Amino acid sequence: KQEVTQIPAALSVPEGENLVLNCSFTDSAIYNLQWFRQDPGKGLTSLLLIQSSQREQTSGRLNASLDKSSGRSTLYIAASQPGDSATYLCAVVHGSSNTGKLIFGQGTTLQVKP
Amino acid sequence: EAQVTQNPRYLITVTGKKLTVTCSQNMNHEYMSWYRQDPGLGLRQIYYSMNVEVTDKGDVPEGYKVSRKEKRNFPLILESPSPNQTSLYFCASSLSPGGNYGYTFGSGTRLTVV
Repeated sequence: KQEVTQIPAALSVPEGENLVLNCSFTDSAIYNLQWFRQDPGKGLTSLLLIQSSQREQTSGRLNASLDKSSGRSTLYIAASQPGDSATYLCAVVHGSSNTGKLIFGQGTTLQVKP
Repeated sequence: EAQVTQNPRYLITVTGKKLTVTCSQNMNHEYMSWYRQDPGLGLRQIYYSMNVEVTDKGDVPEGYKVSRKEKRNFPLILESPSPNQTSLYFCASSLSPGGNYGYTFGSGTRLTVV
């Protein structure tokens, strides 16, 4: 059974700091991994999609890496800003899934202090 | 703008009163799905649809119904809502489940059943 874990559950950093959020999954047979951002009580905004054949994706100050063999992904945020404060979720689609179900981690809640 | 639109955003209803949460996407996506998000339980799949007239149960389908008569619409129906269905609901769509395509989520519907 595929399980997704995100560590830490919460993180507080001063503005300007570079930071790394971690996501691990138990089964390396995945179609892809997607990072989302969720603001309190709001919807999920897709940040980055990494296909199973890729090692990383970049968008602006965000860089996500994928190591299937070790079951890990990291989301790197450069020069953090207070506007980055949100909950970050990673999710995978299992390679044997015929439901298209996204399996989510519990999220990392990030607070960036001015 | 490519998006998934859910309505309503907020809903308070009474036990047993039938309700429908609408979901519409304008991206010609074949795959659509419903999730609920609860504290401590994360996001769980309720139902999904691979294409028009093709729907199937996810992990927590009890108390819900769906239909997919048109490609763009995927309503979630609660025929007799109960307090344990109080939750934050998300509709999501994808060009194809898994593979090279990510998922787009709606803004969410916060449902309270009293």
